[in-house]
Amino acid sequence: NAGVTQTPKFQVLKTGQSMTLQCAQDMNHNSMYWYRQDPGMGLRLIYYSASEGTTDKGEVPNGYNVSRLNKREFSLRLESAAPSQTSVYFCASKFRGRLAGGKTANEQFFGPGTRLTVL
Amino acid sequence: QQQVKQSPQSLIVQKGGISIINCAYENTAFDYFPWYQQFPGKGPALLIAIRPDVSEKKEGRFTISFNKSAKQFSLHIMDSQPGDSATYFCAAPGGTGANNLFFGTGTRLTVIP
Repeated sequence: NAGVTQTPKFQVLKTGQSMTLQCAQDMNHNSMYWYRQDPGMGLRLIYYSASEGTTDKGEVPNGYNVSRLNKREFSLRLESAAPSQTSVYFCASKFRGRLAGGKTANEQFFGPGTRLTVL
Repeated sequence: QQQVKQSPQSLIVQKGGISIINCAYENTAFDYFPWYQQFPGKGPALLIAIRPDVSEKKEGRFTISFNKSAKQFSLHIMDSQPGDSATYFCAAPGGTGANNLFFGTGTRLTVIP
């Protein structure tokens, strides 16, 4: 059980280049998320997918697009990278529904992150 | 939406001391308030969480205290150890169906041996 995996681990881009960050989970979770983490800013939600087939904007979606390819995979695309997109990107997933015993599932499980530098 | 304010930004504690991190939230409509722990180079991981029907939850050396009327909750780490040195994030639910989490800005804890 690998949990949430992300590729690549590191990436350096030049301004204007494009790239796709990949995320996959093997926990059969419904919801998936993309965050960026910047010093002093915490984790900010870029996009999320509440369930397969749906995607929605989070707090900071500008400059990004996403694709929920299937239940397992959720990719983040930078069409024209800018230095302001230098950050550490985390993917997360969550079971949406009720656990045994009736409690709502709330825990998000995070991947190891992708460190992106845009020159 | 949800706004979450966390303090302090950084904290240095002697081994064996108590670490206290505070968090304030705005939207009271939801019922789940977690703390995440992040080690350098790793993704955040759930440490402990509380539902507001209780005022305190304890798991080992980690305790969440919850004050619903003040819209605040705090993390207490008793007998702090160097291995607790990490960044801690509080979070509160928000968004459609409370399916999302809004995170505080993080507290970098350093425990000195």
